Amino acid sequence: DVKVTQSSRYLVKRTGEKVFLECVQDMDHENMFWYRQDPGLGLRLIYFSYDVKMKEKGDIPEGYSVSREKKERFSLILESASTNQTSMYLCASSLRRGQETQYFGPGTRLLVL
Amino acid sequence: AQSVTQPDIHITVSEGASLELRCNYSYGATPYLFWYVQSPGQGLQLLLKYFSGDTLVQGIKGFEAEFKRSQSSFNLRKPSVHWSDAAEYFCAVGAVFTGGGNKLTFGTGTQLKVEL
Repeated sequence: DVKVTQSSRYLVKRTGEKVFLECVQDMDHENMFWYRQDPGLGLRLIYFSYDVKMKEKGDIPEGYSVSREKKERFSLILESASTNQTSMYLCASSLRRGQETQYFGPGTRLLVL
Repeated sequence: AQSVTQPDIHITVSEGASLELRCNYSYGATPYLFWYVQSPGQGLQLLLKYFSGDTLVQGIKGFEAEFKRSQSSFNLRKPSVHWSDAAEYFCAVGAVFTGGGNKLTFGTGTQLKVEL
């Protein structure tokens, strides 16, 4: 089975803190994705990566950065957390082929105070 | 740019009744279409997907969906709903990006409540 894990299920941070969300997949997938999920808005793509050290902006990259130093690990970074970044963050991975399914982690619920 | 509309925010059905969740998409080429389900506090699980071929696709947990190009729709159906089907359902359209793979655009979701 594909396994995508996220470092924390719940996280509470203060405004201005630097926040790291970690995602690890064990299926040797080339592609990895970060989404945020908000009620009434569905899932929105923040960043994705199709190879080590490669990254592409999604639909809402402002206020976020990412890092992919190893194939299995994709980190989302909030350089200076703000209250409007309170959300559920979901990581996903897939093989690098056009028809491949994305597999999701359980999510990290982040609260910024 | 692609987009997905799920017109029903909430749906309530009785256990044993049939279910249809609506999904309309906008995409310039042949779409890759997906339905995912999210139980409370969980990540997303794939129910089914359409890439090409037979327009009626079967998924897990007794779900099916029909791709109708003329209506730009990909509605999800189940003939008899179980209480455990209560969850949020997301439709998504995939666009292939240059590096290879699908970039998904999701609808806003439909929350399903099942009455016993």
